[in-house]
Amino acid sequence: RKEVEQDPGPFNVPEGATVAFNCTYSNSASQSFFWYRQDCRKEPKLLMSVYSSGNEDGRFTAQLNRASQYISLLIRDSKLSDSATYLCVVTTGNTGKLIFGQGTTLQVKP
Amino acid sequence: DTGVSQDPRHKITKRGQNVTFRCDPISEHNRLYWYRQTLGQGPEFLTYFQNEAQLEKSRLLSDRFSAERPKGSFSTLEIQRTEQGDSAMYLCASSLVGRYNEQFFGPGTRLTVL
Repeated sequence: RKEVEQDPGPFNVPEGATVAFNCTYSNSASQSFFWYRQDCRKEPKLLMSVYSSGNEDGRFTAQLNRASQYISLLIRDSKLSDSATYLCVVTTGNTGKLIFGQGTTLQVKP
Repeated sequence: DTGVSQDPRHKITKRGQNVTFRCDPISEHNRLYWYRQTLGQGPEFLTYFQNEAQLEKSRLLSDRFSAERPKGSFSTLEIQRTEQGDSAMYLCASSLVGRYNEQFFGPGTRLTVL
């Protein structure tokens, strides 16, 4: 079983739609949680950190449920420019090494 | 441009050849990470350095792979006797010490082994 699991999609949504991605992680000792965005053939870039209290950045909302070992990302009012792969990421211990999920592909269509 | 550079951006080689990749991190960053990404998968951790010390290596890093960061600045990743299964994107990232510090990724080196 992979340490971080995501539905690979693809998710095809119209502009303006709300879309939610989910992710589960297996290591209960995981300490930090992130969503990264990766455009086609580009490097991953940090989208947002995820906290137990939940956090919002504009149209993006991330939630963490430590008891269920579950992380979510909600994108409201989807834009064409949101089309990308969204990677769920956790860290364990103090090394800072990132453990990535497979990624979920989002395609926003006009 | 994140400030992390990698060279070359693309490398095509024949099976059995040796290849070396270079990563130049953001100058004040003391941690440097190598990851490998294959098509349709997320990046997988290979190894990391804190300053010049290599502190962890993944089981993915077979003895054909070696990484160095000789002066705590740039790093090299060498693959000896390449195999077709080594074909992937090799990503380098750097950060400051601390588990909450963001890692900044370079553009990657895409390796194709024929």
